[in-house]
Order: sequence, then C-alpha cells, then structure tokens
Amino acid sequence: EAGVTQFPSHSVIEKGQTVTLRCDPISGHDNLYWYRRVMGKEIKFLLHFVKESKQDESGMPNNRFLAERTGGTYSTLKVQPAELEDSGVYFCASSQDLGRISSEQYFGPGTRLTVT
Amino acid sequence: QQQVKQSPQSLIVQKGGIPIINCAYENTAFDYFPWYQQFPGKGPALLIAIRPDVSEKKEGRFTISFNKSAKQFSLHIMDSQPGDSATYFCAASTNAGGTSYGKLTFGQGTILTVHP
Repeated sequence: EAGVTQFPSHSVIEKGQTVTLRCDPISGHDNLYWYRRVMGKEIKFLLHFVKESKQDESGMPNNRFLAERTGGTYSTLKVQPAELEDSGVYFCASSQDLGRISSEQYFGPGTRLTVT
Repeated sequence: QQQVKQSPQSLIVQKGGIPIINCAYENTAFDYFPWYQQFPGKGPALLIAIRPDVSEKKEGRFTISFNKSAKQFSLHIMDSQPGDSATYFCAASTNAGGTSYGKLTFGQGTILTVHP
C-alpha cells in the first residue's frame, strides 16, 4: 500500500513568489492534515480536511495561505506571496475517519520550503 | 504558547542504555498521547500511543508512562540500539469540544543518538 506522498520534496523560491505544495493521502483516508515545522521548533498544525471540507483551519498563519482538497482526494497548499518566515518543512498526514476519535496519522516525507 | 513541553532537546546514550524522554502538557482536555519517531528525510512515524485511562503501555522495547495528575508522560526505550538514533516527538490531541478533532499538538522534539 502506497503511503502519503508529497511533491515537491524541496522548493527554493524568492520572496514574493508563489509556491504550491501537493499532498496525496493514503487511498481511502478521509482525514487530511497539514502541519509545518519551522527550524528548531515544534511541528505545528495548519488545517484539517474531512473529505473535501475544511474541518478546522485555525492554524493557518494568514490569508497568504490557501488550501484545497479537490474531490476529497489530493490536497494543495498554496502560499502567495511567499515571505521569509514561511520557510520550513510542510508535512501532510492522513488518517481513517473513525468519527470524532483520534486515529493514527500517517505522515508524508514533507516538503522543505526555503524562501530567500 | 506551547501546550506540550518536551525535554531534553538532545540525548546521547550508549548501546544498551535506557534513554528517557519527558513531556508535560497543560490542556486537561487532551485524551490521546502518541509518540512519533522521525529519521532524516522521512516524515514522522507513529511509534506508540496511550490514552489516559491507563498509566503504562509497552510495545516491544518502547514504553510510555503516563501520569494524569501531574500532566506528564514519558517514553522509555529499553536496550537502545544505534538504529534507534532519530528525532522523537511527543504529541497530544483532544476530541472534546468545537469542530476540531485529531489535530496533534507536538513537543519540540528530542534528537537521540545511540553510540555503538
């Protein structure tokens, strides 16, 4: 069974440019989460999809970040325009939907974003 | 405001030693406490998890000890091996209240090195 995949693995862009990160969850997983780790700090929650709906986007830093999940399958996270403080590793995770119960989240390898 | 505090930041032990990583939390609504292991270039992978109705859980060489009254939990690795060298993250989540469920609040991570 394929795990969670993320693309690209690395991205280096200049301040003010736009970047789109993609996540393909494990097939059949309705829950999809985005997290971010800024260097040396904890991994922080960004948002949670259940199928194609945004369940919780309380962790999104500001309106420069836009997340979508087309048809409840893959998800994209767009940063526009990128700022220096957006640099970090962006993780995607997916889990089965067991109702309102925490279940194991499977993480992708992450996308390392560097804004110069 | 960091809701889960993890210590130490780094830990070096000899093969066969028993590294212990500690976490403390503030939110009494947390009801799921997983530990994740991350190797370089990979995403975090679930190692072991506990719910607050038990004080200890063991899986292979990995044990979680949980102290609900102190709001603390810890990871013990028995007979540690060089292959256990990785970054370890504690985390917590709650399903109580609001629209959010499953989102993980992470500690800052502990870099463990096990010397041969």
